[in-house]
Order: sequence, then structure tokens, then C-alpha cells
Amino acid sequence: QVQLQESGPGLVKPSETLSLTCTISGGSISGYYWNWIRQPPGKGLQWIGYIYYSGSTKYSPSLTNRVTISIETSKNQFSLNLTSVTAADAAVYYCAREVEARAMTGDLVEYFDIWGRGALVTVSS
Amino acid sequence: DIQMTQSPSSLSASVGDRVTITCRASQSISNYLNWYQQKPGKAPKLLIFGASNLRSGVPSRFSGSGSGTDFTLTISNLQPEDFATYYCQQTYRTRAFGQGTKLDIK
Repeated sequence: QVQLQESGPGLVKPSETLSLTCTISGGSISGYYWNWIRQPPGKGLQWIGYIYYSGSTKYSPSLTNRVTISIETSKNQFSLNLTSVTAADAAVYYCAREVEARAMTGDLVEYFDIWGRGALVTVSS
Repeated sequence: DIQMTQSPSSLSASVGDRVTITCRASQSISNYLNWYQQKPGKAPKLLIFGASNLRSGVPSRFSGSGSGTDFTLTISNLQPEDFATYYCQQTYRTRAFGQGTKLDIK
């Protein structure tokens, strides 16, 4: 079955760039939207952004000036870069696949069906 | 931005109880509303999509309703494994989550 795995440094210095990669196994990256979500310790979920397999992106308005999501279809991977990090960026970072399904109303709706286990990133000098 | 507000933020209940969690959107999102369950140290799991559609494999004691701006998640006959944190999510415009509702044992 399809699995997602986040990888990258667990410790980033303040003002530097946080970089994470999500590797998809057991399935193809094509045809889907791929999302990044984060969760600060003891807090709720925050959507960061998504990338379509074709490369189009959309980001959270609160992070758009610091975030870049990219994709490497040949490696079945997509990545997150977050610049100028501060302590507020410390969190568990999740990647997730988004799919479409037909609701009973007939509408085509989206949801996150598969998530990675999460990667804890600490921000400290 | 569409803001999602859940209530209550926390809730205590007993096994066998029926509980309801509410999610309100800052503008109409039709039925583009999903519910997730998260247990400590784990990734969230989808329960309900499109406001009222039960994901395959999810017990039928979970149900969702609502449209527009107001939505509810109802859990009937609470089981021990249901004590967790629940999040709503809108996918009408970009994506956003509610702040979560922690359900614990009374």
C-alpha cells in the first residue's frame, strides 16, 4: 500500500532554512495533490501548502512569503523549504496525499487520505 | 482566509455516551468539510469527508452533518478507542483546520 515518509534535519538554527522531503512508496506521485501540514508541540494542525504533480502550488497566506514546495516526479518525492525560521516554526511536519471523491450530494470533494508519520523539527542555535 | 472554529475545545465523556462536536466556518464552504481523529504521537486519520460521508472502514457510530457554515461530528456509544483529538478541515478554498477538540474520559 502507499506510504509516505518525511526526512530531513531534526535541528535547524534560527534564521536558517528548514528543508524536508517526503518520499512516496508503493504508489505513484502522478495524479494527486501533495500537502505539507505542521503541528507545534501541544497545538493544532496548520496547513502549509500543496503541490500538484504537474508542479502548480498553493500556500497558506500566513506562510506564503517564506515557503516553497517542489516536486521531483522521477524520484517520487516532493519537498518543503521554509526560510528564516524562528522558534515558532518548531513542530512535527507531516506530508499527506490529497484525493478527490464523489460525495453523496454528487459534489467532488477533497480530503487527505494518507499521511506520513511526521518529522519533528526543533529550532535552536 | 476561511477560518474554522471548533467547539468545545475540550470535552469529557464516558464510555457509552453520545457526544457532538461543532465546527463553524467564517464563510460558506458548501459541504467541503472533513473530520479527522488524532491520537497522541500519531498522524491524523480521516473519519468523514464531504461533511457527511463516512470513510470506508470507519465505525458507523461516527456521523457528520451540516452544510454552508455549520457542521457537526457526532459519536454515538463512545468506545475507549474514541478518546482522542478531533479536527475539522475545509477544502473549499485552499485548506484549513479547526483548532481541535480534545475528547477525554470523564
